[in-house]
Amino acid sequence: QVQLVESGGGVVQPGRSLRLSCAASGFALSNYAMHWVRQAPGKGLEWVAVISYDGKTRYYADPVKGRFIISRDNSKNTLYLQIDRLRDEDTAVYYCARGDGYDVFDIWGRGTMVTVSS
Amino acid sequence: EIVMTQSPATLSVSPGERATLSCRASQSVSSNLAWYQQKPGQAPRLLIYGASTRATGIPVRFSGSGSGTEFTLTISSLQSEDFAIYYCQQYNNWPPRLTFGGGTKVEIK
Repeated sequence: QVQLVESGGGVVQPGRSLRLSCAASGFALSNYAMHWVRQAPGKGLEWVAVISYDGKTRYYADPVKGRFIISRDNSKNTLYLQIDRLRDEDTAVYYCARGDGYDVFDIWGRGTMVTVSS
Repeated sequence: EIVMTQSPATLSVSPGERATLSCRASQSVSSNLAWYQQKPGQAPRLLIYGASTRATGIPVRFSGSGSGTEFTLTISSLQSEDFAIYYCQQYNNWPPRLTFGGGTKVEIK
């Protein structure tokens, strides 16, 4: 069964860091570009970042550039998102999603909640 | 940034009726548009890509149309499981700057 499972969310103080993980099963992560998408409470979807199948190319949305780092370990079938200098506006459910190329999200995880609060 | 605008924000429809959802892009995205369905507490699900191609396993009652700046998602006969929020998403930029519309909530009338 093709599945993505996120973990690593929680309540974090502003200015701190957090690393999210996304474990893939049922398919070879190494064959796909992978994305992170977030959704603030009661709000719409916001694309965050994408990484190429081999990890060599990464692109970020402007609001997170310089603070977020997307990475992957294909040997562990796992995707990561390092979030530094957390801000209140980073509070959201973070989804990992498999890319049909860089364009479309064809498989989604169930998400992990990040709450930034002092 | 390409801004995606969806209308209406909420659509009240009776089961069995047709639902028509609109999505407008601030500039042409050709046919590089996808639609997703999201139910409460769940992850989104891909319905349509390339403006009109149904994703794997998506029922034929879902259809997409349009190109350039104007797009439509039609649900021909609403089933109880179709009441959800629908998002459009463009993927016409390089490097990627993927953007979503604000969503249309389809609710039971």
